[in-house]
Amino acid sequence: QKEVEQNSGPLSVPEGAIASLNCTYSDRVSQSFFWYRQYSGKSPELIMSIYSNGDKEDGRFTAQLNKASQYVSLLIRDSQPSDSATYLCAVINSGYALNFGKGTSLLVTP
Amino acid sequence: EAGVAQSPRYKIIEKRQSVAFWCNPISGHATLYWYQQILGQGPKLLIQFQNNGVVDDSQLPKDRFSAERLKGVDSTLKIQPAKLEDSAVYLCATNKWTASYEQYFGPGTRLTVT
Repeated sequence: QKEVEQNSGPLSVPEGAIASLNCTYSDRVSQSFFWYRQYSGKSPELIMSIYSNGDKEDGRFTAQLNKASQYVSLLIRDSQPSDSATYLCAVINSGYALNFGKGTSLLVTP
Repeated sequence: EAGVAQSPRYKIIEKRQSVAFWCNPISGHATLYWYQQILGQGPKLLIQFQNNGVVDDSQLPKDRFSAERLKGVDSTLKIQPAKLEDSAVYLCATNKWTASYEQYFGPGTRLTVT
């Protein structure tokens, strides 16, 4: 089973700060990467996808991919208390299903 | 567009009993996935269907779990007999076709085995 590793946290940041979430993966041939947000008691919600090396920005979210280092990150600018959730990193496997990390718990404090 | 529907939302059973979960995908979505999410962990794939055929069931504990997708639409996941370690949220996800990577998740069924 190919591994997707995340620091479980919790990561605590003050409101308005930048939250940085990191993920590493073991399958060197992986091509597609995703960040899902999961609120407590809810199902995962896709917030970002990234397929090419570099940065991809969408509103307050920036996903960064470095395939050589097998590293994916998610930056959340101007963090809000409503961003408090678990963030799941996921990698598409060879059968097009998602291989998830354990998730990083983010707490944004007012 | 209606989302992925799942039922029941919650289920409590005793160990060694059986249970079934139901998933209705978004209309036209060919690929359907069942994931198991244990508390504190990320979802883990149990089985993947493309229309009514199984694409991947390598992580499905086949001695107790079974799943089917009749007519390539609705799907059911069954556990018989249940064990304590089966306590988890069972998530159904679908997408339009295999090469469309965006998966839409249903609300999940929370199973507690006592």
